Amino acid sequence: AQRVTQPEKLLSVFKGAPVELKCNYSYSGSPELFWYVQYSRQRLQLLLRHISRESIKGFTADLNKGETSFHLKKPFAQEEDSAMYYCALSGSGGSNYKLTFGKGTLLTVNP
Amino acid sequence: DADVTQTPRNRITKTGKRIMLECSQTKGHDRMYWYRQDPGLGLQLIYYSFDVKDINKGEISDGYSVSRQAQAKFSLSLESAIPNQTALYFCATSATPGTSGGLSSYNEQFFGPGTRLTVL
Repeated sequence: AQRVTQPEKLLSVFKGAPVELKCNYSYSGSPELFWYVQYSRQRLQLLLRHISRESIKGFTADLNKGETSFHLKKPFAQEEDSAMYYCALSGSGGSNYKLTFGKGTLLTVNP
Repeated sequence: DADVTQTPRNRITKTGKRIMLECSQTKGHDRMYWYRQDPGLGLQLIYYSFDVKDINKGEISDGYSVSRQAQAKFSLSLESAIPNQTALYFCATSATPGTSGGLSSYNEQFFGPGTRLTVL
């Protein structure tokens, strides 16, 4: 079974402060991890994926297999980063390709 | 631009009514999904389909059924709506890994705008 845990439902920071959204997962094989973002009144969209090792909008996330974590980080938060963030996991092979989402973290960046 | 669309965008109905939510996509993807989103519960998978002849139950399929009429269309039905099915419903699509639309180990899902359903 695959499971994704986002321990924080709400996270509030000030503009310019560092931000870290936590994600832990449980999966017996080699997972693929993703962060999706949902801005107000917009559809859910992919922010970044671990396989690409990229930085999007200043956000980065490193897959730590030892700690089974995929935390999302940004050194200097901006007001436009305020959104709902979902961590998601995909297994490999057959029906495991479907995504399992965490419950989400609502990030608010205050001016 | 290739897109995922959902109809209706908003619907208010009464307990016991049959409701159908429709999803269409022009992305050419084989795989389609239905999720519901509830505050504090995140996204929960209702049903998914990896091709026209393949239908699979997700985490919370009770009270729902689906129909994959074509590669581009995937409908979700509530046979007899109840108030706790009030939620935001999302359709999503993805390419089959290894096909021309997807990388070998990459499973990005593209979401529709959502349908807000209220059951009174």
